[in-house]
Amino acid sequence: GEDVEQSLFLSVREGDSSVINCTYTDSSSTYLYWYKQEPGAGLQLLTYIFSNMDMKQDQRLTVLLNKKDKHLSLRIADTQTGDSAIYFCAESMDTDKLIFGTGTRLQVFP
Amino acid sequence: NAGVMQNPRHLVRRRGQEARLRCSPMKGHSHVYWYRQLPEEGLKFMVYLQKENIIDESGMPKERFSAEFPKEGPSILRIQQVVRGDSAAYFCASETGSGANVLTFGAGSRLTVL
Repeated sequence: GEDVEQSLFLSVREGDSSVINCTYTDSSSTYLYWYKQEPGAGLQLLTYIFSNMDMKQDQRLTVLLNKKDKHLSLRIADTQTGDSAIYFCAESMDTDKLIFGTGTRLQVFP
Repeated sequence: NAGVMQNPRHLVRRRGQEARLRCSPMKGHSHVYWYRQLPEEGLKFMVYLQKENIIDESGMPKERFSAEFPKEGPSILRIQQVVRGDSAAYFCASETGSGANVLTFGAGSRLTVL
């Protein structure tokens, strides 16, 4: 079945690292993605990882993929107040559509 | 490159009226997706289209909803006889159709049904 799950909320102090977790069900997913949504806006692609990789780093962002456990995480180093948003993970299906998780609301406090 | 353009950004309809949402994909993108986001929820896939072709409509409600992507002009998501439960943000995304399936999203159209 198609099911992508995330925890609903995460609260961190400015300057700390944030880790947002995601589990998915389809082992045949080819790509996994992280998108960011700010209030009243559309989704902005942050990064994506091919399923045969286990890690990808892009500046403050680190994506870890555990394919065996179907677990994906996004680590944001030195979290800033501007990182406050909803973060969605998504998996791509064989029909090219993306299935999104429920989103994790990240709140960064000073 | 203006990105994915959606209009209207906000639409208010009374129950029973029709809603038409438009999406112009990014230049060079031939694949369009529509997603719906209910308040405080994630995005739910509705339909995937290429020019003049519906590829996957497995997420579309069976009645009242239709989508098209004509040879010329924007993609249209049409909701007939709207009900309060149709109130949501409707997002369009486009991509080139090759490679990593990276979707570029529009800012969304927020439909409110009174």
